[in-house]
Amino acid sequence: AQTVTQSQPEMSVQEAETVTLSCTYDTSESDYYLFWYKQPPSRQMILVIRQEAYKQQNATENRFSVNFQKAAKSFSLKISDSQLGDAAMYFCAYFRGGGSEKLVFGKGTKLTVNP
Amino acid sequence: GAVVSQHPSWVICKSGTSVKIECRSLDFQATTMFWYRQFPKQSLMLMATSNEGSKATYEQGVEKDKFLINHASLTLSTLTVTSAHPEDSSFYICSARDLAGTTDTQYFGPGTRLTVL
Repeated sequence: AQTVTQSQPEMSVQEAETVTLSCTYDTSESDYYLFWYKQPPSRQMILVIRQEAYKQQNATENRFSVNFQKAAKSFSLKISDSQLGDAAMYFCAYFRGGGSEKLVFGKGTKLTVNP
Repeated sequence: GAVVSQHPSWVICKSGTSVKIECRSLDFQATTMFWYRQFPKQSLMLMATSNEGSKATYEQGVEKDKFLINHASLTLSTLTVTSAHPEDSSFYICSARDLAGTTDTQYFGPGTRLTVL
């Protein structure tokens, strides 16, 4: 079964600095998707970024970028120019694809942004 | 685009009563919706997968007779907690898979906080 591991239960960063959140996963599939979701105190799950496994280019969304290492099964999230609004729980998730396939979540990393 | 709503956002009920939570995809069709439960400071726990027009698939350990799921249309799925007890108090989140797009992405509702007295 696929598993997702986030080894950092908590991280902190100074405002305007850069922080990297780690995520590793285990799968025997070659085609799949990876996601980072953000859950702020409101508890609304917000999609931050997604990566298709067949794409070698790392996904980027404004201040958010990933370092996708397929062979190493690693999918880290880099947040540049951190803002107070980035404070949240961040969940890494794996998805094999297909209509009823489910997301497999990591346990999350709580990010604190210090002013 | 890709907005999912949930109603109600917060509900308090007495032990023994039933509560229905609605999940709607507002601007896309979703043949598959998912229901999660989240305990404080924990990750999301998948309860069941809901497919339009067919029976839901429940995860191991989830009581299908207690958590009734109905996916009546391409934009609506409901979760009914029957004979609720205090231990059912939790945060329930739904998600919907956007079929029309090519992103194969799940979008989440804002969640429903259930408190059973």
